[in-house]
Amino acid sequence: DTGVSQNPRHKITKRGQNVTFRCDPISEHNRLYWYRQTLGQGPEFLTYFQNEAQLEKSRLLSDRFSAERPKGSFSTLEIQRTEQGDSAMYLCASSGAGLAATDTQYFGPGTRLTVL
Amino acid sequence: GESVGLHLPTLSVQEGDNSIINCAYSNSASDYFIWYKQESGKGPQFIIDIRSNMDKRQGQRVTVLLNKTVKHLSLQIAATQPGDSAVYFCAENIGQGNLIFGKGTKLSVKP
Repeated sequence: DTGVSQNPRHKITKRGQNVTFRCDPISEHNRLYWYRQTLGQGPEFLTYFQNEAQLEKSRLLSDRFSAERPKGSFSTLEIQRTEQGDSAMYLCASSGAGLAATDTQYFGPGTRLTVL
Repeated sequence: GESVGLHLPTLSVQEGDNSIINCAYSNSASDYFIWYKQESGKGPQFIIDIRSNMDKRQGQRVTVLLNKTVKHLSLQIAATQPGDSAVYFCAENIGQGNLIFGKGTKLSVKP
């Protein structure tokens, strides 16, 4: 399967713990995006990378959230001191072998986070 | 299992009928639009896209119509099948990389 992959698929943690999620984009895609989706809502943009550079961050991305893409391939999203309100599906998408911001974004299966 | 379709507008159609799902977008500067299908517990799946210099685009069994005058987008699914049952989201891109998603419509196909 050469699509976007995410690990883990499910994560249950206690409030106050740190969690880290991983996303492996489609090979050769230079843009990688993180979104958050809560029940009954559409995905909400968090941040995106072009290669290893983080180009945009949403105001939803509080200082407890950090994302990295050190080698321009896979990315990690870390949430520190998790809160119950962080419970959501965290989606990763990738796009483009080119530079167009409007290249189609392909999504991974998501990581479902539950904070107890 | 959980559903991504809670509290969403629902469209119920008979198998074999055509479905039309509508979406109003917010930003007149948006230049690219996409329809995604999301099944329960899965990530959004790309269906079809359209750029702002077009008003219609057809795929296999799907057609997207764009009316920029009223900022309206629609997805037409021909001969709807049970496998089409899912939540459908429209998304807009204003050229800055991130997508802005609509609220979604849950499509239920009755056999």
